[in-house]
Amino acid sequence: QKEVEQNSGPLSVPEGAIASLNCTYSDRGSQSFFWYRQYSGKSPELIMSIYSNGDKEDGRFTAQLNKASQYVSLLIRDSQPSDSATYLCAVAGYSSASKIIFGSGTRLSIRP
Amino acid sequence: DAGVTQSPTHLIKTRGQQVTLRCSPKSGHDTVSWYQQALGQGPQFIFQYYEEEERQRGNFPDRFSGHQFPNYSSELNVNALLLGDSALYLCASSPRTDFYEQYFGPGTRLTVT
Repeated sequence: QKEVEQNSGPLSVPEGAIASLNCTYSDRGSQSFFWYRQYSGKSPELIMSIYSNGDKEDGRFTAQLNKASQYVSLLIRDSQPSDSATYLCAVAGYSSASKIIFGSGTRLSIRP
Repeated sequence: DAGVTQSPTHLIKTRGQQVTLRCSPKSGHDTVSWYQQALGQGPQFIFQYYEEEERQRGNFPDRFSGHQFPNYSSELNVNALLLGDSALYLCASSPRTDFYEQYFGPGTRLTVT
């Protein structure tokens, strides 16, 4: 079982709609959760971090965390063509606080 | 404010050779982490340096080694290159006060033939 799992996609969403990206993780001791955006040919960019159960909003982005279900998601409201990228879910465990485990990413495509 | 820089941008090596990749962290950051990203995969953690010592290591063989200098810059060395070492090598820097505030450099694309 992979430590961090994501649907590889591509996920195609019409412009202006809500894009929903999901991620599950296997280590129940995980404490910190991140979403990175990676444009083709570029390096990852941190867009959201979440540490507590519930929702965290930042502009058009909302991260949701459910530790009991070992599930974290990212919602992108009013999707724009510039949101087309690969979104990487990353998880850090408490026992190795500084080691971050990445999922393989979900490719998101926003269609006009 | 300069971000994370890496050199070289691209590199082509032959199996069995050795390679050194370099990274300069963002201003104010003292911690450097290295990742390997194969095509279509997420970054895989190789190791992390601060105070010139390796602090954490992922599941990579001893062929992968590193170094951090007093000015916080870092090198990644890979010996006895294999075809499977072909990947994008990413350096990320962070302040020690917040390991997770990682800023990635543009990466070095290594091709092993």
